[in-house]
Amino acid sequence: GIQVEQSPPDLILQEGANSTLRCNFSDSVNNLQWFHQNPWGQLINLFYIPSGTKQNGRLSATTVATERYSLLYISSSQTTDSGVYFCAVKRGVTFGTGTRLQVTL
Amino acid sequence: EPEVTQTPSHQVTQMGQEVILRCVPISNHLYFYWYRQILGQKVEFLVSFYNNEISEKSEIFDDQFSVERPDGSNFTLKIRSTKLEDSAMYFCASSEESLGASGMFFGSGTQLSVL
Repeated sequence: GIQVEQSPPDLILQEGANSTLRCNFSDSVNNLQWFHQNPWGQLINLFYIPSGTKQNGRLSATTVATERYSLLYISSSQTTDSGVYFCAVKRGVTFGTGTRLQVTL
Repeated sequence: EPEVTQTPSHQVTQMGQEVILRCVPISNHLYFYWYRQILGQKVEFLVSFYNNEISEKSEIFDDQFSVERPDGSNFTLKIRSTKLEDSAMYFCASSEESLGASGMFFGSGTQLSVL
């Protein structure tokens, strides 16, 4: 089946810093989503982004389907951004390995 | 704001017992999903459900598992003869379209502990 790898696996940022999270997938996909799992375990849908770029506040995402990757940008990070970020492909069937983000004061 | 509701939040059961996890999806959503997450690991897809039938299932979703939409609002996951390795957080999700632009919304999960 399709493999979805995310990098980096762990990331520690100071509040206010910017970051880029990457999602690589092994086969072509026609949909991709980004989720944030907060420290309390709640999964929150961030973006549905099969291709192109979308922005929502301090977050934006870009998917280059032909090159099999997607990027999630977090600007001016806040402590509330802490948690695990997952990408998921194939209509949510396959989740990536996740990036654990910790934002410190 | 509409939300997906799951009950119970915690379930403790003895190995070999049957459990039913319940979910109330967002009312105008048509697609429903179950996932599980073993502590510290990634989210694993179990099954998707549309139009009163399973549309896709993973290798994890074997004969031990079943799903049902017993009425117009509830969506259940039944695990027969639970095993120790079934201990995990189980998430229900729903979407208006087949993971279209409207996205997927998750409940808060049921933490299942099999003793």
